[in-house]
Amino acid sequence: EPEVTQTPSHQVTQMGQEVILRCVPISNHLYFYWYRQILGQKVEFLVSFYNNEISEKSEIFDDQFSVERPDGSNFTLKIRSTKLEDSAMYFCASSAPAGNSNQPQHFGDGTRLSIL
Amino acid sequence: LAKTTQPISMDSYEGQEVNITCSHNNIATNDYITWYQQFPSQGPRFIIQGYKTKVTNEVASLFIPADRKSSTLSLPRVSLSDTAVYYCLVVSSSGSARQLTFGSGTQLTVLP
Repeated sequence: EPEVTQTPSHQVTQMGQEVILRCVPISNHLYFYWYRQILGQKVEFLVSFYNNEISEKSEIFDDQFSVERPDGSNFTLKIRSTKLEDSAMYFCASSAPAGNSNQPQHFGDGTRLSIL
Repeated sequence: LAKTTQPISMDSYEGQEVNITCSHNNIATNDYITWYQQFPSQGPRFIIQGYKTKVTNEVASLFIPADRKSSTLSLPRVSLSDTAVYYCLVVSSSGSARQLTFGSGTQLTVLP
């Protein structure tokens, strides 16, 4: 079964540094998402992306965050200047075109981001 | 976005059937009911989704009454490896990319 893959599995970064989290969505999917989960808390939506532009974003997704699909396979999340509170698991997800039914989102296993 | 309510935790024993009920009183006409499973340090894994009546796949069944204000995820003959957090989500099928709103989920613990 095709999977969403994320790299790295764990990223440790100094506060104030830039970090890029990478995702390879399922190949025929067209909608891409980033979520985060702070330890012990709920999974929170960050942003959705379709047709090379952001479709929706949450309040968490401020100017420090950006997303990009640099080529036909990768989908990246960049945090420009990391803060301690950015420490969390970051999950990438993708889904197929909706068609006549709701297509579920499939998640990767996440990148654990630790800010020191 | 329709709000969902589900039990915080449930315990079961190996081999038993587990039913987790979720209420979603303000579900809209275009909304689907979707269930995810999450193990520690892993991403949510899609289990099943449905719109009405009953849906069954290789891992679970989903029962949705006619008014669609609740749904029940049924896991047959659970094993220790089914210990996880289970999330009930209501997802709109209208619009293009749809954000998922996760609640706190139900922590299912399967005991030997």
